[in-house]
Amino acid sequence: AAGVIQSPRHLIKEKRETATLKCYPIPRHDTVYWYQQGPGQDPQFLISFYEKMQSDKGSIPDRFSAQQFSDYHSELNMSSLELGDSALYFCASSPTNVNTEAFFGQGTRLTVV
Amino acid sequence: DAKTTQPPSMDCAEGRAANLPCNHSTISGNEYVYWYRQIHSQGPQYIIHGLKNNETNEMASLIITEDRKSSTLILPHATLRDTAVYYCIVSRGNSGYSTLTFGKGTMLLVSP
Repeated sequence: AAGVIQSPRHLIKEKRETATLKCYPIPRHDTVYWYQQGPGQDPQFLISFYEKMQSDKGSIPDRFSAQQFSDYHSELNMSSLELGDSALYFCASSPTNVNTEAFFGQGTRLTVV
Repeated sequence: DAKTTQPPSMDCAEGRAANLPCNHSTISGNEYVYWYRQIHSQGPQYIIHGLKNNETNEMASLIITEDRKSSTLILPHATLRDTAVYYCIVSRGNSGYSTLTFGKGTMLLVSP
């Protein structure tokens, strides 16, 4: 079965550079979530989209932005990268039904040097 | 969404049942109890969820107390591959209407 696809899987950037992470949800899933997980920490919710509109916002820095496109894939844009942005970034998707589960991708490991 | 409390760590012998508790005393009537787990640095994996009735699937059983203030995830025959961090999450659902908020989970170590 198709899963949530994230690209790239690994990314190394220098401080003050920009990065774009991509997420391709499971077909027919209209909701996408982004999470950040620092070393030794629990996943922290950043932002979510439902039907291409932002539906919820968590602890996403102002330097980050995201959007969901017409084909439901989503991109997380990160600018002015800082060392503290080094983390695993997970994307998850779910269908519209309230009573169901979210499916997570394998994550993008971002290292800022 | 309601807050949850879980023990930071638990041990279990391989082949035995693992019973992971979760307190969610402020849960409201329209909130579900979800369990996810995360095997080292992999994406979190859904296990099971429920509203008020006990639930069972091929992975686990979920026992929710009658007052819904606590629940227990049961892995009936734990294997070494069940070693992971287990998260109990209370949420109004998985859709554009609600968000999964991860708290401090339980690190389950299954030993031979």
